[in-house]
Amino acid sequence: NAGVTQTPKFQVLKTGQSMTLQCAQDMNHNSMYWYRQDPGMGLRLIYYSASEGTTDKGEVPNGYNVSRLNKREFSLRLESAAPSQTSVYFCASNAKTGAKNIQYFGAGTRLSVL
Amino acid sequence: RKEVEQDPGPFNVPEGATVAFNCTYSNSASQSFFWYRQDCRKEPKLLMSVYSSGNEDGRFTAQLNRASQYISLLIRDSKLSDSATYLCVVNDWNKIIFGKGTRLHILP
Repeated sequence: NAGVTQTPKFQVLKTGQSMTLQCAQDMNHNSMYWYRQDPGMGLRLIYYSASEGTTDKGEVPNGYNVSRLNKREFSLRLESAAPSQTSVYFCASNAKTGAKNIQYFGAGTRLSVL
Repeated sequence: RKEVEQDPGPFNVPEGATVAFNCTYSNSASQSFFWYRQDCRKEPKLLMSVYSSGNEDGRFTAQLNRASQYISLLIRDSKLSDSATYLCVVNDWNKIIFGKGTRLHILP
């Protein structure tokens, strides 16, 4: 019953440090997503991967890179963290039936950049 | 017009009352619609899909009005545990669009 698993749950970085957020899903979904959520801004899409081996930019990709390592795993990397990247990050995977896309989210990573 | 718009609230409603909120969308070709629930500091979770004919799940009723391009969520006999943020989600064929959410506080 794991669903979508994100690690770490919390992280504090100094400006300029790098880190990778990990995400794995065990539902055999093709599509995976990374969002950030800030107060008053709602969920904003950073990157997504429609299938293994493909990645595409979302609404706010600057400052981030992603890797779709295999069907299960989709990681998000901050190469040089900035205070503006302080946020809650959610990974999601997608079950698609026709036009119906249902997203399943991980528990989130709370990141603070000082 | 924004792709998906919701009243941010908060809606402060006494326990046991009925509350309803709407979500408007801009793309008339949108294919499918959902309500998600997000508790404070937690991830969003699917609450229910929204069908053209309207659908119920216990105390929750969802409606779709394609002519006016909005969906609605009605909660009857509200409970303290219904306090959360409710996100409207609209699917175009290749795009998933989240509203910013409506905050609901149920008051004892």
